[in-house]
Amino acid sequence: GEKVEQHESTLSVREGDSAVINCTYTDTASSYFPWYKQEAGKSLHFVIDIRSNVDRKQSQRLIVLLDKKAKRFSLHITATQPEDSAIYFCAASMISSGQKLVFGQGTILKVYL
Amino acid sequence: GGIITQTPKFLIGQEGQKLTLKCQQNFNHDTMYWYRQDSGKGLRLIYYSITENDLQKGDLSEGYDASREKKSSFSLTVTSAQKNEMAVFLCASSIWGYEQYFGPGTRLTVL
Repeated sequence: GEKVEQHESTLSVREGDSAVINCTYTDTASSYFPWYKQEAGKSLHFVIDIRSNVDRKQSQRLIVLLDKKAKRFSLHITATQPEDSAIYFCAASMISSGQKLVFGQGTILKVYL
Repeated sequence: GGIITQTPKFLIGQEGQKLTLKCQQNFNHDTMYWYRQDSGKGLRLIYYSITENDLQKGDLSEGYDASREKKSSFSLTVTSAQKNEMAVFLCASSIWGYEQYFGPGTRLTVL
Protein backbone atom coordinates (compact mmCIF):
# COMPACT_ATOMS: atom_id res chain seq x y z
CA GLY A 1 0.00 0.00 0.00
CA GLU A 2 0.87 3.67 -0.12
CA LYS A 3 3.62 4.96 2.16
CA VAL A 4 4.29 8.63 2.83
CA GLU A 5 7.65 9.73 4.18
CA GLN A 6 8.10 13.13 5.75
CA HIS A 7 11.77 13.97 5.62
CA GLU A 8 12.23 16.58 8.30
CA SER A 9 11.22 15.55 11.80
CA THR A 10 12.03 19.02 13.16
CA LEU A 11 12.75 22.33 11.48
CA SER A 12 13.81 25.59 13.08
CA VAL A 13 13.70 28.86 11.16
CA ARG A 14 14.13 32.50 12.04
CA GLU A 15 11.03 34.65 11.85
CA GLY A 16 10.70 36.12 8.37
CA ASP A 17 12.64 33.31 6.68
CA SER A 18 11.05 30.57 4.59
CA ALA A 19 10.44 27.03 5.78
CA VAL A 20 10.27 24.02 3.48
CA ILE A 21 8.87 20.61 4.43
CA ASN A 22 9.37 17.73 2.04
CA CYS A 23 7.35 14.55 1.57
CA THR A 24 7.68 11.59 -0.74
CA TYR A 25 5.12 8.94 -1.60
CA THR A 26 5.34 5.50 -3.15
CA ASP A 27 2.16 4.92 -5.14
CA THR A 28 2.09 6.51 -8.60
CA ALA A 29 -1.72 6.33 -8.48
CA SER A 30 -1.86 8.89 -5.66
CA SER A 31 -3.46 12.09 -6.89
CA TYR A 32 -4.50 14.17 -3.89
CA PHE A 33 -2.01 15.69 -1.43
CA PRO A 34 -3.30 17.74 1.52
CA TRP A 35 -1.37 19.37 4.35
CA TYR A 36 -2.60 19.70 7.92
CA LYS A 37 -1.37 21.78 10.84
CA GLN A 38 -1.55 20.76 14.50
CA GLU A 39 -0.86 23.45 17.07
CA ALA A 40 0.20 22.51 20.59
CA GLY A 41 -2.59 20.76 22.45
CA LYS A 42 -5.02 21.08 19.56
CA SER A 43 -6.39 18.92 16.80
CA LEU A 44 -5.47 19.00 13.12
CA HIS A 45 -6.78 21.55 10.73
CA PHE A 46 -6.47 21.69 6.98
CA VAL A 47 -4.10 24.28 5.51
CA ILE A 48 -3.71 23.61 1.79
CA ASP A 49 -3.89 20.82 -0.76
CA ILE A 50 -2.81 20.05 -4.31
CA ARG A 51 -4.19 17.64 -6.88
CA SER A 52 -2.16 15.85 -9.50
CA ASN A 53 -3.48 17.93 -12.41
CA VAL A 54 -1.31 20.88 -11.29
CA ASP A 55 2.26 21.17 -10.04
CA ARG A 56 1.98 24.35 -7.99
CA LYS A 57 -0.62 25.94 -5.77
CA GLN A 58 -0.42 29.03 -3.59
CA SER A 59 -2.61 30.33 -0.80
CA GLN A 60 -1.26 33.53 0.74
CA ARG A 61 2.09 32.60 2.35
CA LEU A 62 1.73 28.88 1.62
CA ILE A 63 2.99 27.27 -1.57
CA VAL A 64 2.70 23.58 -2.41
CA LEU A 65 4.82 22.03 -5.15
CA LEU A 66 4.22 18.61 -6.67
CA ASP A 67 6.79 16.64 -8.67
CA LYS A 68 4.95 13.55 -9.92
CA LYS A 69 8.01 12.13 -11.63
CA ALA A 70 9.97 12.12 -8.39
CA LYS A 71 6.87 11.29 -6.33
CA ARG A 72 7.65 14.24 -4.11
CA PHE A 73 5.67 17.18 -2.81
CA SER A 74 6.62 20.04 -0.55
CA LEU A 75 5.13 22.80 1.57
CA HIS A 76 6.80 26.19 1.48
CA ILE A 77 5.89 28.71 4.16
CA THR A 78 7.18 32.15 3.25
CA ALA A 79 7.79 35.06 5.63
CA THR A 80 7.33 32.80 8.64
CA GLN A 81 5.70 34.10 11.81
CA PRO A 82 5.74 32.72 15.36
CA GLU A 83 2.16 31.51 14.93
CA ASP A 84 3.37 29.19 12.16
CA SER A 85 5.05 27.10 14.88
CA ALA A 86 3.22 23.76 14.92
CA ILE A 87 3.41 20.19 13.68
CA TYR A 88 2.73 19.88 9.96
CA PHE A 89 1.49 16.63 8.41
CA CYS A 90 1.50 15.77 4.75
CA ALA A 91 -0.81 13.11 3.34
CA ALA A 92 -1.63 11.35 0.10
CA SER A 93 -4.55 9.48 -1.36
CA MET A 94 -5.74 7.98 -4.62
CA ILE A 95 -8.87 9.21 -6.36
CA SER A 96 -10.18 5.64 -6.34
CA SER A 97 -9.96 5.53 -2.55
CA GLY A 98 -11.45 8.97 -2.18
CA GLN A 99 -10.28 10.48 1.03
CA LYS A 100 -8.54 7.43 2.47
CA LEU A 101 -5.48 9.43 3.44
CA VAL A 102 -2.06 8.05 4.32
CA PHE A 103 -0.20 10.49 6.56
CA GLY A 104 3.46 11.28 7.00
CA GLN A 105 4.97 11.23 10.49
CA GLY A 106 4.81 14.98 10.98
CA THR A 107 7.35 17.83 11.06
CA ILE A 108 7.73 20.05 14.12
CA LEU A 109 8.27 23.58 12.88
CA LYS A 110 9.68 26.13 15.29
CA VAL A 111 9.86 29.77 14.31
CA TYR A 112 12.20 31.75 16.54
CA LEU A 113 12.72 35.48 16.87
CA GLY B 1 -19.58 26.69 9.88
CA GLY B 2 -19.82 23.37 11.62
CA ILE B 3 -18.28 21.54 14.51
CA ILE B 4 -17.16 18.04 15.42
CA THR B 5 -17.70 16.92 18.99
CA GLN B 6 -15.92 13.94 20.52
CA THR B 7 -16.84 12.36 23.84
CA PRO B 8 -15.33 11.72 26.22
CA LYS B 9 -12.34 14.05 26.09
CA PHE B 10 -10.33 11.75 28.37
CA LEU B 11 -10.92 8.01 28.77
CA ILE B 12 -9.20 5.84 31.33
CA GLY B 13 -9.75 2.12 31.08
CA GLN B 14 -8.58 -1.16 32.49
CA GLU B 15 -6.79 -3.88 30.57
CA GLY B 16 -9.28 -6.07 28.70
CA GLN B 17 -12.12 -3.58 29.00
CA LYS B 18 -14.39 -2.69 26.08
CA LEU B 19 -14.38 1.09 25.57
CA THR B 20 -16.57 3.24 23.32
CA LEU B 21 -15.71 6.62 21.86
CA LYS B 22 -18.34 8.83 20.24
CA CYS B 23 -18.23 11.45 17.52
CA GLN B 24 -20.88 13.87 16.29
CA GLN B 25 -20.68 16.34 13.37
CA ASN B 26 -23.08 19.00 12.18
CA PHE B 27 -21.41 19.76 8.84
CA ASN B 28 -23.90 17.39 7.17
CA HIS B 29 -20.90 15.55 5.70
CA ASP B 30 -21.46 12.10 4.24
CA THR B 31 -18.05 10.69 5.15
CA MET B 32 -16.64 10.17 8.62
CA TYR B 33 -13.34 8.73 9.83
CA TRP B 34 -11.59 7.45 12.92
CA TYR B 35 -7.83 7.86 13.26
CA ARG B 36 -5.35 6.91 15.95
CA GLN B 37 -2.47 9.27 16.71
CA ASP B 38 0.48 7.94 18.70
CA SER B 39 3.14 10.24 20.06
CA GLY B 40 5.76 11.03 17.42
CA LYS B 41 3.83 9.30 14.66
CA GLY B 42 1.40 10.32 11.98
CA LEU B 43 -2.25 9.45 11.96
CA ARG B 44 -3.37 5.95 11.09
CA LEU B 45 -6.82 5.22 9.74
CA ILE B 46 -8.88 2.77 11.80
CA TYR B 47 -12.33 2.87 10.16
CA TYR B 48 -14.22 5.14 7.84
CA SER B 49 -17.77 5.40 6.61
CA ILE B 50 -18.59 6.86 3.21
CA THR B 51 -22.31 7.23 3.88
CA GLU B 52 -24.80 6.30 6.56
CA ASN B 53 -24.91 2.49 6.96
CA ASP B 54 -21.52 2.09 5.30
CA LEU B 55 -18.42 0.84 7.13
CA GLN B 56 -14.91 0.40 5.70
CA LYS B 57 -11.80 -0.91 7.43
CA GLY B 58 -8.66 1.18 7.49
CA ASP B 59 -5.11 -0.03 7.99
CA LEU B 60 -5.45 -0.34 11.77
CA SER B 61 -8.88 -1.93 12.21
CA GLU B 62 -7.81 -5.00 14.18
CA GLY B 63 -8.90 -4.64 17.79
CA TYR B 64 -11.60 -2.10 16.95
CA ASP B 65 -15.25 -2.03 15.89
CA ALA B 66 -17.14 0.94 14.52
CA SER B 67 -20.76 1.93 14.03
CA ARG B 68 -22.34 4.67 11.92
CA GLU B 69 -25.60 5.12 13.76
CA LYS B 70 -26.79 7.99 11.61
CA LYS B 71 -25.34 10.55 9.22
CA SER B 72 -24.16 12.81 12.01
CA SER B 73 -22.63 10.24 14.36
CA PHE B 74 -19.88 7.66 14.22
CA SER B 75 -18.75 5.52 17.17
CA LEU B 76 -15.57 3.56 17.73
CA THR B 77 -15.19 0.66 20.15
CA VAL B 78 -11.89 -0.62 21.49
CA THR B 79 -12.81 -4.28 21.85
CA SER B 80 -10.19 -5.16 24.47
CA ALA B 81 -7.99 -2.39 25.84
CA GLN B 82 -4.28 -3.20 25.96
CA LYS B 83 -2.31 -2.53 29.14
CA ASN B 84 -0.22 0.68 29.08
CA GLU B 85 -1.86 1.74 25.83
CA MET B 86 -1.85 5.52 25.35
CA ALA B 87 -3.07 7.26 22.24
CA VAL B 88 -5.27 10.04 20.96
CA PHE B 89 -8.24 9.06 18.81
CA LEU B 90 -9.33 11.62 16.27
CA CYS B 91 -12.64 11.71 14.46
CA ALA B 92 -12.98 13.57 11.17
CA SER B 93 -15.61 14.24 8.55
CA SER B 94 -15.59 15.45 4.97
CA ILE B 95 -17.41 15.77 1.71
CA TRP B 96 -16.09 12.87 -0.35
CA GLY B 97 -12.92 14.01 -2.16
CA TYR B 98 -12.40 17.20 -0.17
CA GLU B 99 -10.54 18.28 2.96
CA GLN B 100 -11.27 16.60 6.25
CA TYR B 101 -12.37 18.45 9.37
CA PHE B 102 -11.08 17.02 12.64
CA GLY B 103 -12.55 16.85 16.11
CA PRO B 104 -10.62 17.72 19.30
CA GLY B 105 -9.76 14.10 20.07
CA THR B 106 -10.24 11.56 22.85
CA ARG B 107 -7.13 10.78 24.88
CA LEU B 108 -7.06 7.13 25.96
CA THR B 109 -5.00 5.75 28.84
CA VAL B 110 -5.15 2.09 29.82
CA LEU B 111 -3.97 1.16 33.30
